[in-house]
Amino acid sequence: GENVEQHPSTLSVQEGDSAVIKCTYSDSASNYFPWYKQELGKGPQLIIDIRSNVGEKKDQRIAVTLNKTAKHFSLHITETQPEDSAVYFCAASIESYQKVTFGTGTKLQVIP
Amino acid sequence: DVKVTQSSRYLVKRTGEKVFLECVQDMDHENMFWYRQDPGLGLRLIYFSYDVKMKEKGDIPEGYSVSREKKERFSLILESASTNQTSMYLCASSGDPLNTEAFFGQGTRLTVV
Repeated sequence: GENVEQHPSTLSVQEGDSAVIKCTYSDSASNYFPWYKQELGKGPQLIIDIRSNVGEKKDQRIAVTLNKTAKHFSLHITETQPEDSAVYFCAASIESYQKVTFGTGTKLQVIP
Repeated sequence: DVKVTQSSRYLVKRTGEKVFLECVQDMDHENMFWYRQDPGLGLRLIYFSYDVKMKEKGDIPEGYSVSREKKERFSLILESASTNQTSMYLCASSGDPLNTEAFFGQGTRLTVV
């Protein structure tokens, strides 16, 4: 089955700096890669996703990159703000198949 | 907005008890999931269902069962609770046939003593 590894497990950055979270996956058939943000006391919420037919996607301060050859993808957050503090999960799946495999999570702390 | 509601935020149960965790979604989604979340292990899939009365095992189904009698409701059952089932349990649903966004409930923190 699919295996998703995520690094780092914790990340502290100063407000305004950038944060990068990296994930690798094992199943070359995976073609859908979502990122979820989990705030304290809440369930995870989708913040951005990317499909295998594109290499990069941006949404305001958030961007994701995908390297299918190397089987890794990354989340980039620029100009970090205290409200970006949360746990972030990457995930991988095969579209049209319900099962999604999540990474182990990264706890991001943005220091004001 | 999609709403996924889990019946309890916190539960404390005794070892050996039968435990029911209930989840209801209000967006007519076909797919529903149960995950458990543990520090350092991320979200691990216990069971999922893609239709009423249909279920499939996830990565860690041992010690759990599920029930989906109605489309909007997905129940997780711990037949005989054990201390190693102390965890945060998250329910999710998705309706897109291409398996895109999953909507999560707020979670149930279960403690087995």
